[in-house]
Amino acid sequence: EIVLTQSPGTLSLSPGDRATLSCRASQSVSSNYLGWYQRKPGQAPRLLIYDVFSRATGIPDRFSGSGSGTDFTLTISRLEPEDFAVYFCQHYGSSPLTFGGGTQVEFK
Amino acid sequence: EVQLVESGGGLVQPGGSLRLSCAASGFTFSTYSMNWLRQAPGKGLEWISYISGRSDTIYYADSVKGRFTISRDNAKNSLYLQLSSLRAEDTAVYHCARDQVSPRWFFDLWGRGTLVTVSS
Repeated sequence: EIVLTQSPGTLSLSPGDRATLSCRASQSVSSNYLGWYQRKPGQAPRLLIYDVFSRATGIPDRFSGSGSGTDFTLTISRLEPEDFAVYFCQHYGSSPLTFGGGTQVEFK
Repeated sequence: EVQLVESGGGLVQPGGSLRLSCAASGFTFSTYSMNWLRQAPGKGLEWISYISGRSDTIYYADSVKGRFTISRDNAKNSLYLQLSSLRAEDTAVYHCARDQVSPRWFFDLWGRGTLVTVSS
């Protein structure tokens, strides 16, 4: 089973800041099958990024994904007020698919 | 509106049963593979079951195999999860989630979830 470790646990930033979130896998993720989701309290999780780089439908271009192998990054270029939320990664390159524990982006 | 809405959660005793439902709207439900995932308190998300659009392919996580049963009714745009022989460790928020028409194993539409609490 691939364990996904996200860091930092909490990121304290201000609107307009750049956010860099890390997701590290315990072994290489095959075919770059890695995605990112956003979750806000009381709301359903929202797919942001799939296949490391590809933005899901309707996701603004301030969200971008990068990485390969075991190290992946979600970058939010300029935080908007609605971006303060929890972000988690998921691999789907092998069974079982697993999720990271999440990074909370909070107001500084 | 494209959405998934779960229902059926609640408090149940160990060894008991519960049936969860997921109502889909705003898209052609029958063409999509569907999944159930859960998140226990203080833990990460866990995928637990998959069903293809025609119900001809079904998978379960080892943690629920033999105890949970996934099904769907495309005429009613609904997904179900029958939970049996429940244990304390099954306590979690249960989400239904949509996969792609050809499964890719990432989920582009989720419901908010329904809470299942297993306790005496």
